Amino acid sequence: QVTLRESGPALVKPTQTLTLTCTFSGFSLSTSGMCVSWIRQPPGKALEWLARIDWDDDKYYSTSLKTRLAISKDTSKNQVVLTMTNMDSVDTATYYCARGQQYRHGYYFDYWGQGTLVTVSS
Amino acid sequence: QSVLTQPPSVSGAPGQRVTISCTGSSSNIGAGYDVHWYQQFPGTAPKLLIYGNSNRPSGVPDRFSASKSGTSASLAITGLQAEDEADYYCQSYDSSLRGHAVFGGGTKLTVL
Repeated sequence: QVTLRESGPALVKPTQTLTLTCTFSGFSLSTSGMCVSWIRQPPGKALEWLARIDWDDDKYYSTSLKTRLAISKDTSKNQVVLTMTNMDSVDTATYYCARGQQYRHGYYFDYWGQGTLVTVSS
Repeated sequence: QSVLTQPPSVSGAPGQRVTISCTGSSSNIGAGYDVHWYQQFPGTAPKLLIYGNSNRPSGVPDRFSASKSGTSASLAITGLQAEDEADYYCQSYDSSLRGHAVFGGGTKLTVL
């Protein structure tokens, strides 16, 4: 059974760095073709893809946020960590991690975590 | 501004058929990349509804179907039920945005 769970602070101050951890089970991120992405959703708004890390440690970032994001994995702990620097109120959102399933030349998200709401406020 | 365009809302009466469109461009859907669909209820995580343009994961009712043509895709729901009221998102891949997944802006389905 595949599960993912996000953890991290519920509240961060403007300019601080956010660190989120995705702890997963039921699959290995060392398996060829596997990836994990972070996706966020501001209250009442659409989904926004943030970053992805592949089984071979390839990393990809949202073009608009790439200077602020870093993604890493600890295969032995089944964890993926996302850091986002210089947080602002517009970054208030529910942050999801999701397993990516490669499909032909793209990929889709077959399992999602429950999400964690991060509020940016002083 | 989402890369993929969806209508903000659609509605239909129980038992009816509704469709939700997802329009992209020559660098994503039009380039041949597959479209995937998600269903999201308030306060919950999105759930995979359709993958690879038209494939339903196990457990998804066959009332849900989808197709793709050119630079667009569409999700159809037949025999509309009150429990289908949710937000629906399309997702694809964009060759101009290396490694990116791209989403539509989401469509709120209201069952009248």
